[in-house]
Amino acid sequence: DSGVTQTPKHLITATGQRVTLRCSPRSGDLSVYWYQQSLDQGLQFLIQYYNGEERAKGNILERFSAQQFPDLHSELNLSSLELGDSALYFCASSLLQGNTEAFFGQGTRLTVV
Amino acid sequence: DAKTTQPPSMDCAEGRAANLPCNHSTISGNEYVYWYRQIHSQGPQYIIHGLKNNETNEMASLIITEDRKSSTLILPHATLRDTAVYYCIVRVGNYGQNFVFGPGTRLSVLP
Repeated sequence: DSGVTQTPKHLITATGQRVTLRCSPRSGDLSVYWYQQSLDQGLQFLIQYYNGEERAKGNILERFSAQQFPDLHSELNLSSLELGDSALYFCASSLLQGNTEAFFGQGTRLTVV
Repeated sequence: DAKTTQPPSMDCAEGRAANLPCNHSTISGNEYVYWYRQIHSQGPQYIIHGLKNNETNEMASLIITEDRKSSTLILPHATLRDTAVYYCIVRVGNYGQNFVFGPGTRLSVLP
């Protein structure tokens, strides 16, 4: 158990819909990262937050957005969903922005039908 | 883009040491080498990281060459549960830097 909690574990929704994925980082961790992993694809970095502020952006679509709240949990919002958005979405957290390891949650499997 | 090169796949006999190589010839002086693994579709699992000295923990050893252009992750006694995709990542812990995952090495531990 990495200490990072992601909910829900599974989500099935229709095209055009909007969903919210939630991530609770390890206790004390200030940095949160979001990654997408499509079927048989690598892990693609989406976005990073540090203590509530956006720090880095990867290949995140405009239909996707995220935020980190004062209690440090984070949410990833996916809207106008398409079939191609079906993927595993992972959240990771780390203590600092420096050279500390990040720990990953078990992911949310999103299926768009 | 990933800054590392790893073999796409490797086999290892159960109980033997698994030595996973990684080339990072363009590594900068302040970049660390991290290793993660992913078993099936689980979340990536942190294994070990280091700057220039060899490192060892309860899971593995990390050997970094003196010129830091390559490293080897050693699983001393591989078990079937070590079958996974192993990722080597170089990263500077600066403001806004994330972990860039390449395709990794698919390690199969064989009985």
